[in-house]
Amino acid sequence: GIQVEQSPPDLILQEGANSTLRCNFSDSVNNLQWFHQNPWGQLINLFYIPSGTKQNGRLSATTVATERYSLLYISSSQTTDSGVYFCAVDDYNDYKLSFGAGTTVTVRA
Amino acid sequence: ETGVTQSPTHLIKTRGQQVTLRCSSQSGHNTVSWYQQALGQGPQFIFQYYREEENGRGNFPPRFSGLQFPNYSSELNVNALELDDSALYLCASSLGTSVGYEQYFGPGTRLTVT
Repeated sequence: GIQVEQSPPDLILQEGANSTLRCNFSDSVNNLQWFHQNPWGQLINLFYIPSGTKQNGRLSATTVATERYSLLYISSSQTTDSGVYFCAVDDYNDYKLSFGAGTTVTVRA
Repeated sequence: ETGVTQSPTHLIKTRGQQVTLRCSSQSGHNTVSWYQQALGQGPQFIFQYYREEENGRGNFPPRFSGLQFPNYSSELNVNALELDDSALYLCASSLGTSVGYEQYFGPGTRLTVT
């Protein structure tokens, strides 16, 4: 099956700082989603981005499908951005989402 | 528009017992997928249901089974519970079963097996 690697595994930021999270995947994909998992466990949809660039407020994402990676940018981080960020993909042969191990982001006031 | 809902939120069971978890899909969505998330890991795909039939299965034993109802809601059943079944169980719904549809997740059910 498709492999998904996220980096870095952990990120500690001062409030107001910018950061970049990376997701590498091992095969062509139909779907790539970024999620933020809140402290209660719910996965919040951030972006559906199999290719191209999208922005939503302080967050933006870019997927370069030909090079099999995606980047999530957090600008002017806030304490509410803390949590685990997951990248998930599905490939051309499967319906399931395969998740990376996540990046744990801690934003300090 | 109603989001994905799951019940119960928390559950404690004893090893060897059986458990049923429930999921209501987002309005207009006909496909439901179930995932298991162990502590400190990413979610793992269990299976997907479409038109009341299983439409793909991950690497989980047969004691994990499911149902989908005509209103697209779904149940996950786990028999003969083991300690390793302790996890967060997430349900996701989507507009269709083909690859490429965005999936939306419910709040999860946290299962503890003692």
